[in-house]
This record gives sequence, C-alpha cells and structure tokens, in this order.
Amino acid sequence: AQSVAQPEDQVNVAEGNPLTVKCTYSVSGNPYLFWYVQYPNRGLQFLLKYITGDNLVKGSYGFEAEFNKSQTSFHLKKPSALVSDSALYFCAVRDLNSGNTPLVFGKGTRLSVIA
Amino acid sequence: NAGVTQTPKFQVLKTGQSMTLQCAQDMNHNSMYWYRQDPGMGLRLIYYSASEGTTDKGEVPNGYNVSRLNKREFSLRLESAAPSQTSVYFCASSEVGIGTSPYEQYFGPGTRLTVT
Repeated sequence: AQSVAQPEDQVNVAEGNPLTVKCTYSVSGNPYLFWYVQYPNRGLQFLLKYITGDNLVKGSYGFEAEFNKSQTSFHLKKPSALVSDSALYFCAVRDLNSGNTPLVFGKGTRLSVIA
Repeated sequence: NAGVTQTPKFQVLKTGQSMTLQCAQDMNHNSMYWYRQDPGMGLRLIYYSASEGTTDKGEVPNGYNVSRLNKREFSLRLESAAPSQTSVYFCASSEVGIGTSPYEQYFGPGTRLTVT
C-alpha cells in the first residue's frame, strides 16, 4: 500500500527566511513524488515532481524538493520565503509498480509566511 | 484551454435531495478523478476513471455514484444527500502513466457543497 505523511499541520516562517515543508512516504517499490499548492478558494496547482535521477528537483515559484531514499522523505524547500507563499501544501506519491492508480495525497501543511 | 472545469461552484442541498456535479476537461486526458476535501482530512479519493468506459471506487465511495459520459466528462452524483457529505469537491484529470512515464493531475476549481 502507498501512503504519505506530512507531520506538521502548520509551519510558520518569517519573510525572507528559508522554509521547509516535510513529507515522508511509504511504497513497496520505487516512488513517484509530487508537491502541490492550494491557495484559498482554489484548486490544487502542481509545483514539482520527482521521477528518477537528481535528488534535488526544482519547480515553480522558486520551490525545490530533495528526495532522500534512505529516509523515505521528499521535503519541500525554498531559500527565501515570500508572504505570497502562504498557502496549503500537499505531498503525493504513487508507486512506480502500481500500474495506473491515482496519486495518494497527504493531509496537507498550512504554510504561513509572516512579514 | 480551460483545463478542468466544474459546475456548479456552490450548492446548498437539503438532506435527502439529489444532485449531480459536473466535470469536463479539454486536455484529452484519459484518466479522471473525484476527490473531497475536508478540514484536517486532506484529499480523499471518491471514484476515479482510468480510461473512458471504466470506473473504480476510491477511499470513500459510499453515498456517491459516477458516470464517465465520454472522454471529456466525468460526473459525480449524490442520490440522497446527507450532512456528512458537506465538503468541497474537486475533479482532476491526468494522462495515463505508462511504464516509467509519470503523470501529474490537473485540478478543477472545486464545488463547495453544503447539506443542511
């Protein structure tokens, strides 16, 4: 079975500081990993994904994520947070060997960037 | 391209009423999905359609039915609405992932449903 955990319901960070939103996953095979962002009253928007290759993945709006196989983690990062980054962030996973099955999403982490 | 569109945006129902949520995508995607989003619960999959002509249950299918009308459209029906179905409903679509080709899902703007 596939699962993903986002251990923090809320992350607060000051504008200009680096931010990290944590995600750990569990799959039986190799994972495909995704990050999505949801702004208020909007649908989810794709940020970035890990398929294979470089462990550091760069995505939209200056975000990046680091894949760590030994720790089964895929943390989302940004070097300098903006107030406009305040939103709900979702991590998602699919097992490479699971065939054409939907993504499994975490419960989300609310990021609040304070000016 | 409009992407994924959903109608209506808002709906209020009384317990026991029925309604259909509509979803359409113009990206020629094979797979479509219905999720509900509740506070503290994240996104939970209700039903999905891997390809035209097929539908499968997700994590929380009870109280819902779906119809994949054609490749573009995937509707979600509540036959007898209950207060527990008060939620925000999202439709999504994606290309089929084949072999080592992963896919991302594209989401609609959501339907906010209240059942009183």
